[in-house]
This record gives sequence, structure tokens and C-alpha cells, in this order.
Amino acid sequence: DSGVTQTPKHLITATGQRVTLRCSPRSGDLSVYWYQQSLDQGLQFLIHYYNGEERAKGNILERFSAQQFPDLHSELNLSSLELGDSALYFCASSVGTYTDTQYFGPGTRLTVL
Amino acid sequence: QQQVKQSPQSLIVQKGGISIINCAYENTAFDYFPWYQQFPGKGPALLIAIRPDVSEKKEGRFTISFNKSAKQFSLHIMDSQPGDSATYFCAASTPRLGRLTFGEGTQLTVNP
Repeated sequence: DSGVTQTPKHLITATGQRVTLRCSPRSGDLSVYWYQQSLDQGLQFLIHYYNGEERAKGNILERFSAQQFPDLHSELNLSSLELGDSALYFCASSVGTYTDTQYFGPGTRLTVL
Repeated sequence: QQQVKQSPQSLIVQKGGISIINCAYENTAFDYFPWYQQFPGKGPALLIAIRPDVSEKKEGRFTISFNKSAKQFSLHIMDSQPGDSATYFCAASTPRLGRLTFGEGTQLTVNP
């Protein structure tokens, strides 16, 4: 158990809908990263927050947004969902800097029908 | 230039054998190279990591070899065990990027 929690574990929804994925980092970790894992794209970085502030964005679609709250938990919002958004979404947390170990949560499996 | 290329895509090894997975990168600004192990249904977990100021790092049966001039690094798993069967990802990062760029992954199967 990495100490990172993600909810829900599974999410099945329809195209055009909006969903929110939640992540609670390990106690004491200030950085939260979101990654998308799909069969054809592998593990892709989406966005990084550090202590409530956005630090970096990857190839994150405009339909996707995220935030990190004062208690350091983070939410990833996916809207106008398309079939191609079906994937595993992982949250990872670390103490802070880029060389600190990133601890991954168990992931949320999103299926868009 | 941000890509990390990983090979092979899949690897089958007999118990007790050596598993070798290779990665190559282009971005010379990368200076942190971790390897992650992922079991089915789980998130990736850090296995071992290296900085470019050393050419090799060993932790138990796992060794990273790093060749800065060739911009390549590899993971060696000695005395491979069936419990090592998993997907392995190499990754790279820089201070400016602050996040991990992953290779495509290698599915390792260790036969008993």
C-alpha cells in the first residue's frame, strides 16, 4: 500500500458526461501528479500540483481540469467525455522535488460507453 | 525530444535467468532516471533510480546501468523469479519538467 488513495476504483459513464476523480496524497506529501494510462499511449503525464499551485501541464485536454485543495487532496475533472477517454487514471504524490519518489495510487479505471 | 524509448516490449525469461530491459533518451537535460514496476491492477511502484553522475547502481537483484554518452540506461534483474513477472517502466525527469516521462513499458514473464 503506497499510502495514496484514489476514489472511485471504477467508473462507468456515457459519452458527453462529466466525472470527478479524487486523490488523497500520502501524509506530508505536497506534490500531486496525475497520469493517464491507456494501451496505445502508455503512461502519460497530465498535470502537477504543488501545495495548491499548478506547477506543470502535460498533454492535458482542455476538457480536463484539476485542482489541489488546502488539505492537499486533488480532484481531476473530465468533461464532455469521449470513448477515447477510457483509461486508467493514476494519481501520484511526492514530498516535493522532482527527484523525490513518486508514490502511485491504485488508480481509477474509467470506462466511457 | 521528450521521449524515452524502451525495449523490448515483452520478455520471457526462465527462473534464475537474467532479465535485461533497455531505454534510450534524447533530451540531455534529463538527470533523474527511475524504474517502476507495475503488477496487474496496481499502480506503478518505484524499483530503483539513478542519477547520471554514476554509471551503475545496484539494489539486491536489481541493477541499473547508465551510459551517459550513449544516452542509454538499462535494468538488469539477476536470478529472475516468477514473482518478478510484471510490467516495467523506465522513466526520466529534469528539474524544469518536474514530472516523469515514461517509456512504453516491458511486460516481463518469468517461467518457473
